[in-house]
Amino acid sequence: QKEVEQDPGPLSVPEGAIVSLNCTYSNSAFQYFMWYRQYSRKGPELLMYTYSSGNKEDGRFTAQVDKSSKYISLFIRDSQPSDSATYLCAMSANRGSTLGRLYFGRGTQLTVWP
Amino acid sequence: ETGVTQTPRHLVMGMTNKKSLKCEQHLGHNAMYWYKQSAKKPLELMFVYNFKEQTENNSVPSRFSPECPNSSHLFLHLHTLQPEDSALYLCASSPSGTGGINQPQHFGDGTRLSIL
Repeated sequence: QKEVEQDPGPLSVPEGAIVSLNCTYSNSAFQYFMWYRQYSRKGPELLMYTYSSGNKEDGRFTAQVDKSSKYISLFIRDSQPSDSATYLCAMSANRGSTLGRLYFGRGTQLTVWP
Repeated sequence: ETGVTQTPRHLVMGMTNKKSLKCEQHLGHNAMYWYKQSAKKPLELMFVYNFKEQTENNSVPSRFSPECPNSSHLFLHLHTLQPEDSALYLCASSPSGTGGINQPQHFGDGTRLSIL
């Protein structure tokens, strides 16, 4: 079983839609959760990060973590064509042999059409 | 503007060539990383350097040889590569190699490597 599972899509939505991106994971030691956005021909840029369970909001973006279900989500409200990119989830542990190492999902390719 | 700069952006080489990828970070970080990104696969961690010392080699073939002369520069020396090594090679840095919420990794834009 992969450490982190993420549906690669592609996901195509109209402008203004609410987008939901998700990842599941198997390692209960993961405590830190991140979302990266990667535009075509660019490197990943950190978009959101959260610790443990709960929600975090930043503008149109909301990150949710449900540790009991080992499930994380990124919501994008009022999606814009400029949100078209690949979104990568990543997570790391705070103990054990995996301390500090980031584990990535495969990325979900999102297209927002005008 | 990214604080992590990678050169070259694109590289085409034959299987018998020797080339090097360069990464430079201007963020004052102490940890640097090499990742391999292939289509439809998660980022694969290759090497980790923390305060110029290699702390992780993720079972990478010896045809990839990293070098970290100081905390700001990281190289990946390539020789006798195989076609399956064609991928995007990403460099990243973080304040130190222990990760955590206060230490996200910052990525460069990568080198697109094609092996003929």
